[in-house]
Amino acid sequence: AQSVTQLGSHVSVSEGALVLLRCNYSSSVPPYLFWYVQYPNQGLQLLLKYTSAATLVKGINGFEAEFKKSETSFHLTKPSAHMSDAAEYFCAVTRGGSNYKLTFGKGTLLTVNP
Amino acid sequence: EAGVAQSPRYKIIEKRQSVAFWCNPISGHATLYWYQQILGQGPKLLIQFQNNGVVDDSQLPKDRFSAERLKGVDSTLKIQPAKLEDSAVYLCASSLDSSTRNTEAFFGQGTRLTVV
Repeated sequence: AQSVTQLGSHVSVSEGALVLLRCNYSSSVPPYLFWYVQYPNQGLQLLLKYTSAATLVKGINGFEAEFKKSETSFHLTKPSAHMSDAAEYFCAVTRGGSNYKLTFGKGTLLTVNP
Repeated sequence: EAGVAQSPRYKIIEKRQSVAFWCNPISGHATLYWYQQILGQGPKLLIQFQNNGVVDDSQLPKDRFSAERLKGVDSTLKIQPAKLEDSAVYLCASSLDSSTRNTEAFFGQGTRLTVV
């Protein structure tokens, strides 16, 4: 079975500081990996995805993530945090086989301090 | 392009009552998913439809939960009878086709259920 582990349920940064949200995956087959963002009382919005092409993936709102097979990691970064980045972030992995099914991590709540 | 529509947005019921949620996916999307998101956790897949057929319902508590997708478009998720632990946000999502792993899933705003 495939799974993801998000390290840190809550991350707090100052506005303008680096954002680093950690995600490690477990997969018996080459994974497809995703980062989603959820603003309060909203659904999930795709930030970026890794689908076995370039290992450094750029997404919306200045976020990017790097797939590192040797470390089984897919950490999300943003060079400079903005107040509007405050939200919950979920890492997800597809299940193997022909059916596309997202398995989510528990999420990391990002707060941005002025 | 219209997104995934869900209703109601909020629902409060007493335990042992029944409740139903409705989802209208993005037009042309063959695959529809229902996820349960308990506070402090990531979404968990309850059921996945491909057109009007069930692809995966392995985590659906079938003694109390049911879902249908008539005509391969709209879907309803029902809970009967509800328990306190069913309090959660129920998210509906759709994608063009589940057979391609890199097809993006689009999520609705969810229905927040509180069972008292």
